[in-house]
Amino acid sequence: AQSVSQHNHHVILSEAASLELGCNYSYGGTVNLFWYVQYPGQHLQLLLKYFSGDPLVKGIKGFEAEFIKSKFSFNLRKPSVQWSDTAEYFCAVNARNFNKFYFGSGTKLNVKP
Amino acid sequence: DTAVSQTPKYLVTQMGNDKSIKCEQNLGHDTMYWYKQDSKKFLKIMFSYNNKELIINETVPNRFSPKSPDKAHLNLHINSLELGDSAVYFCASSPGQVLNTEAFFGQGTRLTVV
Repeated sequence: AQSVSQHNHHVILSEAASLELGCNYSYGGTVNLFWYVQYPGQHLQLLLKYFSGDPLVKGIKGFEAEFIKSKFSFNLRKPSVQWSDTAEYFCAVNARNFNKFYFGSGTKLNVKP
Repeated sequence: DTAVSQTPKYLVTQMGNDKSIKCEQNLGHDTMYWYKQDSKKFLKIMFSYNNKELIINETVPNRFSPKSPDKAHLNLHINSLELGDSAVYFCASSPGQVLNTEAFFGQGTRLTVV
């Protein structure tokens, strides 16, 4: 079975600090990878996704993520966070051609103004 | 235009009651899902339907019964509600099994059982 691990449960940063959130998955086959963001009281929105090609993907709001196949990782990064980035971030995986998205337990990011 | 819409947004009810949550998507997607997000924000898949057919049922108590009258709708009916059912329930959709794409989520329904 697939599983997704997010190592950081709660991260607190000051504005302009750099961000890296870890995500590892366990599945031996080909996967699609996603990062979703959930702002307080809102639904999940897609930040970025990886299907194939360049392992460094860029998403909305200055976020990017790097797929490292050998490490089964898909870490999320942002060079300089803003207060408005305060939210919960979820890594998700699904195996190619299987309609089942597995989510990590989420990382709560608090950015202090 | 809301792509995936759920109603109601909030639902407060007593233990033992039966309630339904409705979900509709206007994206033309073939696959729809129900996810449960618990108090610790953990998202767990409950059901998945593809073209009105159940394809995933993740060991959910049989008090939970999804119904898909057509591929644009996936409703969730819950019988004999329990305190532990309190959570946020998210509906989602995706194009289907052939295409690689993301899931699109609704706004969520916050269910509180008292």
